[in-house]
Amino acid sequence: QQQVKQSPQSLIVQKGGISIINCAYENTAFDYFPWYQQFPGKGPALLIAIRPDVSEKKEGRFTISFNKSAKQFSLHIMDSQPGDSATYFCAASVETSYDKVIFGPGTSLSVIP
Amino acid sequence: DAGVTQSPTHLIKTRGQQVTLRCSPKSGHDTVSWYQQALGQGPQFIFQYYEEEERQRGNFPDRFSGHQFPNYSSELNVNALLLGDSALYLCASRSLWGADEKLFFGSGTQLSVL
Repeated sequence: QQQVKQSPQSLIVQKGGISIINCAYENTAFDYFPWYQQFPGKGPALLIAIRPDVSEKKEGRFTISFNKSAKQFSLHIMDSQPGDSATYFCAASVETSYDKVIFGPGTSLSVIP
Repeated sequence: DAGVTQSPTHLIKTRGQQVTLRCSPKSGHDTVSWYQQALGQGPQFIFQYYEEEERQRGNFPDRFSGHQFPNYSSELNVNALLLGDSALYLCASRSLWGADEKLFFGSGTQLSVL
């Protein structure tokens, strides 16, 4: 019940295209859903986050869509660039425990010119 | 403003040895958490320290222990190292007093157990 599922495992997108990563969760106590971006040799960096009372959040080229009833959420990267090539993790946590983040298994994104 | 800093960046140990990893949180942050990231996987929560006490613990054996100092810095200790302990160990911090949910990660310590 603590798991966060994520797909696809890897993704190849052409420059300028849209990258879409999907996640699902079971624990309805989760109330904070961050996305992290990780480059090789670096730690995860917070990209964008959403709470379940919002259905969509957009920051620049990055958009989170959230479907509370289906317990699913997704990250859309518009106009994907080679510099976006990284591993992306969806994650979830509860208000009483924001330090204990449950990560998905990750999606390796490659944006090709 | 320095972010979360960890040392050392890389470490090689042999089975059965003990290791200590260090972390300085981002300025203004008062709680530190440690995560283990195996190759090709997402980070897994080990434990959290706040006010020099362990507050939460993930599914890790007692071989994993930690400490937080009055200046909020932290150490992760692993005893009786196993081959399976080889991983990237990440430290994360946030402002619990400021009620900020954002977690900031360091670049990690890559531990190899031979």
